[in-house]
Amino acid sequence: QLQLQESGPGLVKPSETLSLTCTVSGGSISSGTSYWGWIRQPPGKGLEWIGSISYSGSTYYNPSLKSRVTISVDTSKNQFSLKLSSVTAADTAVYYCASRGIAGAFDIWGQGTMVTVSS
Amino acid sequence: QPVLTQSSSASASLGSSVKLTCTLSSGHRSYIIAWHQQQPGKAPRYLMKLEGSGSYNKGSGVPDRFSGSSSGADRYLTISNLQSEDEADYYCETWDSNTQVFGGGTKLTVL
Repeated sequence: QLQLQESGPGLVKPSETLSLTCTVSGGSISSGTSYWGWIRQPPGKGLEWIGSISYSGSTYYNPSLKSRVTISVDTSKNQFSLKLSSVTAADTAVYYCASRGIAGAFDIWGQGTMVTVSS
Repeated sequence: QPVLTQSSSASASLGSSVKLTCTLSSGHRSYIIAWHQQQPGKAPRYLMKLEGSGSYNKGSGVPDRFSGSSSGADRYLTISNLQSEDEADYYCETWDSNTQVFGGGTKLTVL
């Protein structure tokens, strides 16, 4: 059964770059129909889609974050990664990675990782 | 880009039924959506995919108490025989060729 696990620093300083990795287990990240995504949730608020990537590296991003976001994939490690630059306190959130199923929705979620932006 | 609108809160009694609504924006009435459940302190869980026809496909292990239906731009999640563990936030999601969108979520309280 496919499982996803986020990893990365829990604390990032303002103006620096947030970097997270999602490790996929129980299946191949290179599956032909697979897309992988990042979603975040600020404390007490709703879900916000950040961006998505295919196994071949095609990406699409939330327009509101596009200038600061880079998502990449490493098929050799069965991982995909998120980089968010120039962070501020507003980027403090739980960050989730997820698998987008063939139907189009995110149908498998990681457990999430809390990232706090603070000096 | 589609927009999804959800009521911020809902409540119903233990053992009763509740119907949550997700409304698609104008021009996107035919879109397929998904429903997700987020229990307190946990990651979201995919519940089902729901089409404009009302046809739905549930995720693995989702109880029979959960069902979906549609009318026009509205997509519904009905939970029957409410249990205490159903107290959670419920989000709808939709997607386009280059975007994924979430509704603001409905907080369901089981009385």
